[in-house]
Amino acid sequence: KAGVTQTPRYLIKTRGQQVTLSCSPISGHRSVSWYQQTPGQGLQFLFEYFSETQRNKGNFPGRFSGRQFSNSRSEMNVSTLELGDSALYLCASSLTASGSTDTQYFGPGTRLTVL
Amino acid sequence: SQQGEEDPQALSIQEGENATMNCSYKTSINNLQWYRQNSGRGLVHLILIRSNEREKHSGRLRVTLDTSKKSSSLLITASRAADTASYFCATPSGGYSTLTFGKGTMLLVSP
Repeated sequence: KAGVTQTPRYLIKTRGQQVTLSCSPISGHRSVSWYQQTPGQGLQFLFEYFSETQRNKGNFPGRFSGRQFSNSRSEMNVSTLELGDSALYLCASSLTASGSTDTQYFGPGTRLTVL
Repeated sequence: SQQGEEDPQALSIQEGENATMNCSYKTSINNLQWYRQNSGRGLVHLILIRSNEREKHSGRLRVTLDTSKKSSSLLITASRAADTASYFCATPSGGYSTLTFGKGTMLLVSP
C-alpha cells in the first residue's frame, strides 16, 4: 500500500503570497490531520478532516485553512504569508472515525520557506 | 501548549549502548504514542501504549507508562547508528485524530 504523499516537497514563497499544499492519505484512510513543525514551537496541530468535514482546529489564525475532497485527499492553504510561516508542514492519515487511538501515518512533509 | 515534555532534550551514546528517553504529560490520557523523525522528514510511528498497560515491547523498543506519575519512558536497547533521530511522545487531545507532541529528544548514536 502506498504511504501518505505530500506535494510539493519544497516550496519557496515571498511574504504576502499564498500557498496551497496537498496531501493524499493512505488508501482507505478517511481522517487527515495537518501539523506545522518549527524549531521554536515544535509540532503543532493545525486541523483535522474526516469525510470532508473539519472536526477539529488548532490555535492558528484564519490565514490557515484547509479542505478535504470526497476521495479523502486534503489541501491546506495559507494566505498572506509571513516569515514565521516558514516551517515543515506534515500531513497524517488514520483509518477510523474514532481517530485518537489510531496510529497516525505521516507523510514526508512540505518544507515551506517564506522570504 | 505542549502536553508531553521529553527529557533529555539531547542524548549522545555509542553504538551498542541503551538509550532511555522520558516523557511527562499533564492531563489524563487513554493512550500515549512514540514517534521517530529522521532529520527533516516525516514521523514514523513506533509504538502505542494504552492507559491500562504498564509496559510494551516491540523489537528493541520497550515503553513503560505510569499514569499515576503521568510519565512514560522509551528504551532502545543495543542502539545502532541508524537509530540516530529525534523521538517524540504524543498524546491524544481535543478528540478525534488530534495529537499533542512534546518537543522531542534528539538521539545521536555514534559508531
